Amino acid sequence: DAGVIQSPRHEVTEMGQEVTLRCKPISGHNSLFWYRQTMMRGLELLIYFNNNVPIDDSGMPEDRFSAKMPNASFSTLKIQPSEPRDSAVYFCASSRTPGLPGDEQFFGPGTRLTVL
Amino acid sequence: AQSVAQPEDQVNVAEGNPLTVKCTYSVSGNPYLFWYVQYPNRGLQFLLKYITGDNLVKGSYGFEAEFNKSQTSFHLKKPSALVSDSALYFCAVRALTGGGNKLTFGTGTQLKVEL
Repeated sequence: DAGVIQSPRHEVTEMGQEVTLRCKPISGHNSLFWYRQTMMRGLELLIYFNNNVPIDDSGMPEDRFSAKMPNASFSTLKIQPSEPRDSAVYFCASSRTPGLPGDEQFFGPGTRLTVL
Repeated sequence: AQSVAQPEDQVNVAEGNPLTVKCTYSVSGNPYLFWYVQYPNRGLQFLLKYITGDNLVKGSYGFEAEFNKSQTSFHLKKPSALVSDSALYFCAVRALTGGGNKLTFGTGTQLKVEL
């Protein structure tokens, strides 16, 4: 299995531009998570989906952020408009069974976003 | 609410010596505890987990962790450190809330193993 796939690996954009990050979870996994990692705030959960349905988006910073999961094999995280403070590494992770507490999450390699 | 504390930002140890990375947690009900490792410019990798049963859990790369309910701790250990173990280590806790499966991570501990 290829693991969790994220694209792009690096993104440099200018303030005000729209940014779309993409994630393909591991096949057969039914939960998907989006995290953001910065030096100041550490690792933050933004949103997660169970069976393609958003369950908890309380970590989404503001309305500029949105996430979708149109099917079991694809998710996007969109920032519009982007701001310099959005610069971070964004991770996608997946796990097999929603609600099974012992399930570990498998992380993708991350997308390093720089907003100038 | 659930939370995790990793009291040390950095741990330094000589190669061949035992290492310990500390973690304490707070959660309602039974805890499900995890350790992850992050190498530079990489995603987090799962090391080991505690769900129930034996308090000593063995994981990848020779790591183990001991669950201590009375001290609400889940310290990561390895009998003999390697330079290649140098990385950022995260402890995480999960509690079921309304059918969710949210993991709460600590702030991470940078482990540096020196020759």
